[in-house]
Amino acid sequence: GAVVSQHPSRVICKSGTSVKIECRSLDFQATTMFWYRQFPKQSLMLMATSNEGSKATYEQGVEKDKFLINHASLTLSTLTVTSAHPEDSSFYICSARPMSRATEAFFGQGTRLTVV
Amino acid sequence: EDQVTQSPEALRLQEGESSSLNCSYTVSGLRGLFWYRQDPGKGPEFLFTLYSAGEEKEKERLKATLTKKESFLHITAPKPEDSATYLCAVQTFTNAGKSTFGDGTTLTVKP
Repeated sequence: GAVVSQHPSRVICKSGTSVKIECRSLDFQATTMFWYRQFPKQSLMLMATSNEGSKATYEQGVEKDKFLINHASLTLSTLTVTSAHPEDSSFYICSARPMSRATEAFFGQGTRLTVV
Repeated sequence: EDQVTQSPEALRLQEGESSSLNCSYTVSGLRGLFWYRQDPGKGPEFLFTLYSAGEEKEKERLKATLTKKESFLHITAPKPEDSATYLCAVQTFTNAGKSTFGDGTTLTVKP
């Protein structure tokens, strides 16, 4: 149980285009999902927290107009990187917290974004 | 500000050589401490949650313990497949359920 599917696992896009990453909880409902960014050999940096049906809460320094987050259902959250630039290249990971859990969250497989 | 420090940064073991990874934390009101395993190019895999000092959790060759200032992840008789980066994270009662992660310990187990 507690499976989180993230898609795509890898994406290469041209500078200036937008990319959408999906995060789905397959066998549970999640009111809260989290989006992280991870640079090589570094830990996870929280970008934003999304709650189903409401606007995402972004961490300080994260541009909400650049990283659009939508959490339209209890099993799906999306992250759209708008007008991507090479410096947006990174590993993006989502996690989802089951409604039945107060603290644990489970992670997707991650998305390797390369902007050329 | 919540702080999580993991040590060592990297650990190389021979197969069967037991050791421990450390996670020191400075937080105001610990709600939970989490251990994850992360393989290269993958998302973290949940291992344990610890809530209060003195608590212990075990899973196969791994055992996690918690004190008021730190947590240890003990690895008994490790195998090469235990090679991964192990991440520690904390949640407090004041950070709205968000997790603060340490930088991880990269474990390499040689056959």
